[in-house]
Amino acid sequence: EAGVAQSPRYKIIEKRQSVAFWCNPISGHATLYWYQQILGQGPKLLIQFQNNGVVDDSQLPKDRFSAERLKGVDSTLKIQPAKLEDSAVYLCASSLGGGFSSTDTQYFGPGTRLTVL
Amino acid sequence: QKEVEQNSGPLSVPEGAIASLNCTYSDRGSQSFFWYRQYSGKSPELIMFIYSNGDKEDGRFTAQLNKASQYVSLLIRDSQPSDSATYLCAVQLLTGFQKLVFGTGTRLLVSP
Repeated sequence: EAGVAQSPRYKIIEKRQSVAFWCNPISGHATLYWYQQILGQGPKLLIQFQNNGVVDDSQLPKDRFSAERLKGVDSTLKIQPAKLEDSAVYLCASSLGGGFSSTDTQYFGPGTRLTVL
Repeated sequence: QKEVEQNSGPLSVPEGAIASLNCTYSDRGSQSFFWYRQYSGKSPELIMFIYSNGDKEDGRFTAQLNKASQYVSLLIRDSQPSDSATYLCAVQLLTGFQKLVFGTGTRLLVSP
């Protein structure tokens, strides 16, 4: 079974530029998550989709970050304009979902390491 | 107070010893608790989860949960150098749709 795919793996941009990340979840997984992991910290949830609907985006800086999950499969996360403090690893995860299990396992992709200069 | 707290370490243990990793959480209504392992430069991978008070064993790993004390731990028996990694504790909050809140992780170093 293929895992969560993400691209690109690395990205270096200058501040005020825009950047987009792509995620393809495990086939059949209804729930998709985007996390931001700053060096030395644990992952922080940015946005969570259930199929193609947003169920939690309370920690997404909506003035600069946006995300979509068209057709309930692939997802893109965009940052525009980027700031220095956006330098982090952006992790995508997926889970079977359904909202009925309190132990629904999240599987992580390899992440995209973003450096903002 | 942080929602999930872990000692950042590093925790250093010799090969073959028991490593004990600890985590406390603030939301008394938290439902489920997860331990992830993250190697340097890699993404987190699930080791195990626990949702009932007591112990849960899986191979060399044992998770322990005490909801009254709001405390969850991970024991690694017969530690190996390959266990050297950062261990992330994640707590599923009562509110929110299966939302996980992660601690900052504890770095474990197992010396040969």
